[in-house]
Formats: sequence, structure tokens, C-alpha cells
Amino acid sequence: AQSVTQLGSHVSVSEGALVLLRCNYSSSVPPYLFWYVQYPNQGLQLLLKYTSAATLVKGINGFEAEFKKSETSFHLTKPSAHMSDAAEYFCAVSLDTGRRALTFGSGTRLQVQP
Amino acid sequence: SAVISQKPSRDICQRGTSLTIQCQVDSQVTMMFWYRQQPGQSLTLIATANQGSEATYESGFVIDKFPISRPNLTFSTLTVSNMSPEDSSIYLCSVGGGSSGETQYFGPGTRLLVL
Repeated sequence: AQSVTQLGSHVSVSEGALVLLRCNYSSSVPPYLFWYVQYPNQGLQLLLKYTSAATLVKGINGFEAEFKKSETSFHLTKPSAHMSDAAEYFCAVSLDTGRRALTFGSGTRLQVQP
Repeated sequence: SAVISQKPSRDICQRGTSLTIQCQVDSQVTMMFWYRQQPGQSLTLIATANQGSEATYESGFVIDKFPISRPNLTFSTLTVSNMSPEDSSIYLCSVGGGSSGETQYFGPGTRLLVL
């Protein structure tokens, strides 16, 4: 079975500061990892995904994430936060065997202070 | 990427009633899923909607409470039956994931409030 842990339910940064949202996974087989963003009153939008092609993955809106197998992590970063980045961020995992649905982490709400 | 629409976008219902949520995709897809997002919570998978056969439900979810139809490869419905205030949630359908690492795309969600 797979699982995802997101450390920090709320993260607050100043505009222009580094954004770091943490995600650790547990999986008995190589996972596929995703970061989604949910803006208020909207559905989920894919930011980026890891599918074993490259460990450093670049996504939309300046976000990137690095897959570290030794640390079972897939942390999301952005060098400089923008006010429009304020949203809920979800890390998710899926496997190549059996159940293809996503297993989501608990989410991290990002607040950007002016 | 797939374009997904859901109807209704939101509703307020009385306890004991049922609501059917529709999910329409602009292309044929193999995999379709229904998720629930309770207030302030993450997403939890309700079931996988299988075309031409019964849906596959996750632990804690049963067909009598959440009957699902999937008549073709572009459409599915989820019914929330005999509703109680605890069913107040956002219900989202998603498509994709049919092949290794394939992205799953989400509909805009249906916001349900049960009084």
C-alpha cells in the first residue's frame, strides 16, 4: 500500500521568499508522484509530476520538485513566492500496479504575506 | 488534457433526500474516479467507475449510499443517497491514470451542503 505525508498543514512566507512544501511517500514499488494546487472554490490543477524520467521536475508557475529516493521525498519548491501562489497544495502518489487512483496527502495551505 | 464538466456545481439539499452528480468528459477515457473532499480535508477516493460493469468501491464506501453509473466512456454519475449533514463535501470526478504515470485530471467539483 502507498501513502503520502505532508509536513505542515499551514506554511506562511513573505512575498519574494523561498517556498518549500514537504512531501514524503511510502511505497513498496517505484511510485509516480504528483503535486496539485487547489485555488479557493476551484478544482485541482496539476503543477508537476514525477514518472522516473528525471529526478528534478519542473512544473508550471515556476514550481519544481526533486525526487529523492534515499529520503523518500518529493518536496515542492519555488524560489520566489508571489501573492497569487496562495492556495492549497496536495502531494499525491499512484502506482503502476493494481489500483490506479491517486492517494493524496493531507494538504498544505500556503499563505503569502505582502 | 481532458476537459471535464460537472453538474450541478453546487447544491443545498435537505437530509434524507438524494442528489445525482453528473461528470462529462470531452473525450473517451478508460479510467474515471470519484473523490470526496470533506470541509478542510484532503481528497478521499470513493470508487472507480468502470464502463459496462459495477463500480469498484473503496473501504468505507458502499453502493447503496453512493450508486455510480458509467454508461459510456465519456460520462458517469454519482448519487449521494439518503443524505445527512455529514455528506456535506465537495465531490470531484477525475479521469486518466490508465497507463503508467498518466496524469489524472479533475473536474471543477460539486459543492454539496446538506441541512
